Amino acid sequence: NAGVMQNPRHLVRRRGQEARLRCSPMKGHSHVYWYRQLPEEGLKFMVYLQKENIIDESGMPKERFSAEFPKEGPSILRIQQVVRGDSAAYFCASSPERLGVSHEQYFGPGTRLTVT
Amino acid sequence: DQQVKQNSPSLSVQEGRISILNCDYTNSMFDYFLWYKKYPAEGPTFLISISSIKDKNEDGRFTVFLNKSAKHLSLHIVPSQPGDSAVYFCAASAQGGSEKLVFGKGTKLTVNP
Repeated sequence: NAGVMQNPRHLVRRRGQEARLRCSPMKGHSHVYWYRQLPEEGLKFMVYLQKENIIDESGMPKERFSAEFPKEGPSILRIQQVVRGDSAAYFCASSPERLGVSHEQYFGPGTRLTVT
Repeated sequence: DQQVKQNSPSLSVQEGRISILNCDYTNSMFDYFLWYKKYPAEGPTFLISISSIKDKNEDGRFTVFLNKSAKHLSLHIVPSQPGDSAVYFCAASAQGGSEKLVFGKGTKLTVNP
């Protein structure tokens, strides 16, 4: 039973390029969360998605960042026109259908984005 | 404004002794709390959680205590092992919302042989 998968594990982009980060949730999980971790900081929530729906994007920067979780395929976090401040570790997490009960979130290994 | 605070950036204990990691929160809407362990260059690994209707949850060597009136929780690891050396994150969520996790900054635990 594979865990949460993320690729690529490392991504280097020059300023102004686009970065695409992919996340495949655990089997049976329908909820996907994206978090960002800056050096020496905790993880910060960015966006919560279910299949074909963005449920909460309150942590997403207003510009250049977007996320999707299509009916088929992985969730994608897209960063356009990257800047040096986007350099961070980006983690995806998934959880099962909640049915009114809180569930732990299971994290992938992360994508380390470096903007040069 | 940090809603979840881990005031000790690091903690060092001897193998076999107890490790106690602390966490404070400010948002009274939080009702579900989790501890994660993280090794360098890996994703956080879920350890243990507790709902606000409980004050204690135990799983093997790990016990989490919740004091709602003080808005404080702690993770006890007994006995500590060198493999427990990692960064430990406290996280909280509010049911009824999106259940996004709000994380503390982490405490780096070192267990010395």
